[in-house]
Amino acid sequence: DTAVSQTPKYLVTQMGNDKSIKCEQNLGHDTMYWYKQDSKKFLKIMFSYNNKELIINETVPNRFSPKSPDKAHLNLHINSLELGDSAVYFCASSQGGRWGYTFGSGTRLTVV
Amino acid sequence: AQSVTQPDIHITVSEGASLELRCNYSYGATPYLFWYVQSPGQGLQLLLKYFSGDTLVQGIKGFEAEFKRSQSSFNLRKPSVHWSDAAEYFCAVGAGAAGNKLTFGGGTRVLVKP
Repeated sequence: DTAVSQTPKYLVTQMGNDKSIKCEQNLGHDTMYWYKQDSKKFLKIMFSYNNKELIINETVPNRFSPKSPDKAHLNLHINSLELGDSAVYFCASSQGGRWGYTFGSGTRLTVV
Repeated sequence: AQSVTQPDIHITVSEGASLELRCNYSYGATPYLFWYVQSPGQGLQLLLKYFSGDTLVQGIKGFEAEFKRSQSSFNLRKPSVHWSDAAEYFCAVGAGAAGNKLTFGGGTRVLVKP
């Protein structure tokens, strides 16, 4: 059983389209995250939800909208995709901060 | 705000040789510190973590790290590297009320020569 699973693994789409990435965790963790990894491998937090409540919202364009229907799921919807949105998006979960995160395997988004 | 610096972008090491990856952090309180490894095309796997107690922590795959508060460092070491250790390594510091927000360093790519 995959602990944190993301779908799709690869996503190629045209500029201006709207797309969603789904994430599910079966670890019973209370907190879920979205991170963006750019082409230079730099990882930056985008959002964090704790028990379906948004707790971290970094400086991210409002074209990005996270949704957490329950504490096991955190989806990311992106409107009006731009070339600069091309990156690998990682979902992660944790139970408190001291134990670290469990990451999904990532979604490689390519905007053409 | 917290920050993490990994001074070495690339390190090349011979198989069987020792490895040390440097990590320096900036955070006003006692940090939670982590090392993650990312193999090509994969997600990040937790190698080890520190939040209190013994400053020398052991992790998976034969890695260890030492927390030095006076130097604001958390360097990762392995006595003898294997070809499978070739990967990208990330140091991270946890912050926030519950240490939930992880801030990552820029990563160090490790290449292993036969």
